[in-house]
Amino acid sequence: GENVEQHPSTLSVQEGDSAVIKCTYSDSASNYFPWYKQELGKGPQLIIDIRSNVGEKKDQRIAVTLNKTAKHFSLHITETQPEDSAVYFCAATSGWGKLQFGAGTQVVVTP
Amino acid sequence: NAGVTQTPKFRVLKTGQSMTLLCAQDMNHEYMYWYRQDPGMGLRLIHYSVGEGTTAKGEVPDGYNVSRLKKQNFLLGLESAAPSQTSVYFCASRTGTKGGTQYFGPGTRLTVL
Repeated sequence: GENVEQHPSTLSVQEGDSAVIKCTYSDSASNYFPWYKQELGKGPQLIIDIRSNVGEKKDQRIAVTLNKTAKHFSLHITETQPEDSAVYFCAATSGWGKLQFGAGTQVVVTP
Repeated sequence: NAGVTQTPKFRVLKTGQSMTLLCAQDMNHEYMYWYRQDPGMGLRLIHYSVGEGTTAKGEVPDGYNVSRLKKQNFLLGLESAAPSQTSVYFCASRTGTKGGTQYFGPGTRLTVL
């Protein structure tokens, strides 16, 4: 089955700097890669996703890149703000529903 | 739309007690999922359902049962709770189309003493 590894487990950045979270996956059949943000006491919320026919996708300050050959994908947050502080999860699936999640990255944005 | 709702929000059980967690969605989604979240381990799939009347095992199904009698509801049961089942439980749902987004509920924090 699919295995997703996520690094780093914690990330501390100064407000205004960029944050990068990296994930690798094992199943070459995986073709959908969502990223979720989880704030304290809440359920995960989708912030961006990418499909295997696209190499990069951007939404305002958030971007995701995918390297199918190397089987890794990354989340980039630019101009970080205090409200970006949360736990971020990457996930992968071959498309028919069962997401395999990474262990999560705790992002702390310090003023 | 309320989206995905979960009942209860918090619960404390004694070892051996039973309980049912309820998940409801008002988005007419075909697929529903139950996950557990433990520190440092991300979200692990317990059971899932691809439609009314169907259920299947996920990654960590032991000690849990589920039922999907109505399309909008997905129930997770613990027949005899154990301390190892102390966790935060999340329900999610999505459409039946390939690659559809999973929408999560707010979670249930369960403590088993």
